[in-house]
Amino acid sequence: DVKVTQSSRYLVKRTGEKVFLECVQDMDHENMFWYRQDPGLGLRLIYFSYDVKMKEKGDIPEGYSVSREKKERFSLILESASTNQTSMYLCASSEQGGYGYTFGSGTRLTVV
Amino acid sequence: KQEVTQIPAALSVPEGENLVLNCSFTDSAIYNLQWFRQDPGKGLTSLLLIQSSQREQTSGRLNASLDKSSGRSTLYIAASQPGDSATYLCAVSASSNTGKLIFGQGTTLQVKP
Repeated sequence: DVKVTQSSRYLVKRTGEKVFLECVQDMDHENMFWYRQDPGLGLRLIYFSYDVKMKEKGDIPEGYSVSREKKERFSLILESASTNQTSMYLCASSEQGGYGYTFGSGTRLTVV
Repeated sequence: KQEVTQIPAALSVPEGENLVLNCSFTDSAIYNLQWFRQDPGKGLTSLLLIQSSQREQTSGRLNASLDKSSGRSTLYIAASQPGDSATYLCAVSASSNTGKLIFGQGTTLQVKP
């Protein structure tokens, strides 16, 4: 069974902390994505990567960075967590063209 | 800028009904369109993908259609069941290789036994 695994289901962090959200896929997909999902705003793309060490900003990259050192792993970094980054974070991977789009179960992050 | 809209935001139907969910998009220059399902507190599951050159795709009781020129897609669910209760999201891709998606806000479906 193909999988996208997010390291944490629930996370509580303090304002100002540096936060790492990890995502691993086992499908040899080229593309990986980080979205956040908020009530009334839907899913919004933060960053995506179309190859190892290649990344592009999505629609809401401010306050975030990413790292993709290996093809299977895509990390989202909150440089200095703030309360407005409290959200559900969803990682996904796909083949080129968006085929085989697979999402992880999500990480619900609360920043206090 | 591409915008995706789904109407209605919520829908409640009795078990056994056939139903249609609607999706519209503002820019017809899409590469493909996908329908996803999301159960509460979970990630998304891909249901159907329609290439821009296709008119429809079918999987079991689900049928998705695409009219690119008018910027519309529909998801038809036949003989609805309580297990179909979930949020259904439509998303479009403008790129042939990055797979970047623009999502609608979804339609939350409740099928009552």
